[in-house]
Amino acid sequence: GQSLEQPSEVTAVEGAIVQINCTYQTSGFYGLSWYQQHDGGAPTFLSYNALDGLEETGRFSSFLSRSDSYGYLLLQELQMKDSASYFCAVRSSGGYQKVTFGTGTKLQVIP
Amino acid sequence: EAGVAQSPRYKIIEKRQSVAFWCNPISGHATLYWYQQILGQGPKLLIQFQNNGVVDDSQLPKDRFSAERLKGVDSTLKIQPAKLEDSAVYLCASSPLGDRVSEAFFGQGTRLTVV
Repeated sequence: GQSLEQPSEVTAVEGAIVQINCTYQTSGFYGLSWYQQHDGGAPTFLSYNALDGLEETGRFSSFLSRSDSYGYLLLQELQMKDSASYFCAVRSSGGYQKVTFGTGTKLQVIP
Repeated sequence: EAGVAQSPRYKIIEKRQSVAFWCNPISGHATLYWYQQILGQGPKLLIQFQNNGVVDDSQLPKDRFSAERLKGVDSTLKIQPAKLEDSAVYLCASSPLGDRVSEAFFGQGTRLTVV
């Protein structure tokens, strides 16, 4: 089966940088995605890593190390609207592509 | 492009009653997922369809939950009878097929309260 671990809560100051880590165990690993979910909202896609290294999309970057089964989401120049839950999700293969979510990290941005 | 549509947005039922949720995925998306999200937790995959066939229902409580995807497009998820622990948000998502596919598109969900 699949399992993912993330910190449950993180607090950071507006304008700062925060890193949210994710470690995973899975068979047939295909890639690691990150989703953002505001309270009462739907998860929205942020980024995806299939290969080792850093992917940058504006203020958000995501990193993957396949050998360490580890990834992180880096949020720069934090804004109050970044307060949300962030989920890593493993895409695994094996005849079909399955997306399994972690338990989520609740980020609180404070002034 | 229209997003994933779900209805109803909210539903309150008594335990032992039945309930159904509807999902219309993004046009052309072959893969459809139903997730259950309990407050404070990550989405848990209940069932995954590829076109109109089930590819994963390993975490679906089959004694009370059922789902179908008509003609490989719309899908319904049913709970009968409901239990208190079924209170959650039920999220539908869809994605196209392909090795390069990385994103699942989510609907707004149906918030179910069982009392």
